Amino acid sequence: SAVISQKPSRDICQRGTSLTIQCQVDSQVTMMFWYRQQPGQSLTLIATANQGSEATYESGFVIDKFPISRPNLTFSTLTVSNMSPEDSSIYLCSVGGGRETQYFGPGTRLLVL
Amino acid sequence: KNEVEQSPQNLTAQEGEFITINCSYSVGISALHWLQQHPGGGIVSLFMLSSGKKKHGRLIATINIQEKHSSRHITASHPRDSAVYICAVRLAGSQGNLIFGKGTKLSVKP
Repeated sequence: SAVISQKPSRDICQRGTSLTIQCQVDSQVTMMFWYRQQPGQSLTLIATANQGSEATYESGFVIDKFPISRPNLTFSTLTVSNMSPEDSSIYLCSVGGGRETQYFGPGTRLLVL
Repeated sequence: KNEVEQSPQNLTAQEGEFITINCSYSVGISALHWLQQHPGGGIVSLFMLSSGKKKHGRLIATINIQEKHSSRHITASHPRDSAVYICAVRLAGSQGNLIFGKGTKLSVKP
């Protein structure tokens, strides 16, 4: 199993500012995933972060808006840049893949005013 | 049309009732996950299925690969089962990305 922690758990931010979300896993993992869940919607994959390479972004998400770091096999950060109210969501990191169980962090609840 | 459809969207039950949530998908998959999301936002994986049926205590999940359909049952439901239940599938040949349903909000009344 994997235990994932995220910081911050929630934040209220002003538009135009940036927030960096941290994700820590208690074991070494190859792939880490960042998801967004907008109010009333299902989860959407933002990007996949592999250690030692640039993150792979899904359609509709770009590195300038959501830069990701993956400095080692247990840690990743997601930055939400130049925020607008439309960025208000729950952001979750996750590990697992293939035929493995998927584990999720507790989420970061972001409100942009 | 969404690739993963869940029904019902909302479900209210009395404590002790047998509950079924359904998930249909339109893509080839290697695995299907049933997830539980509590009001705080955290998500827990309940089941991962690639065929057949799994049972954990009061929880049962089945999948029919030919019909592209899965069901999740709770026998003898309890108020602590109240949560959003999400069906997610991993595409065949994919090592990563999950495609999520919109979730079923379950409320169990005492």
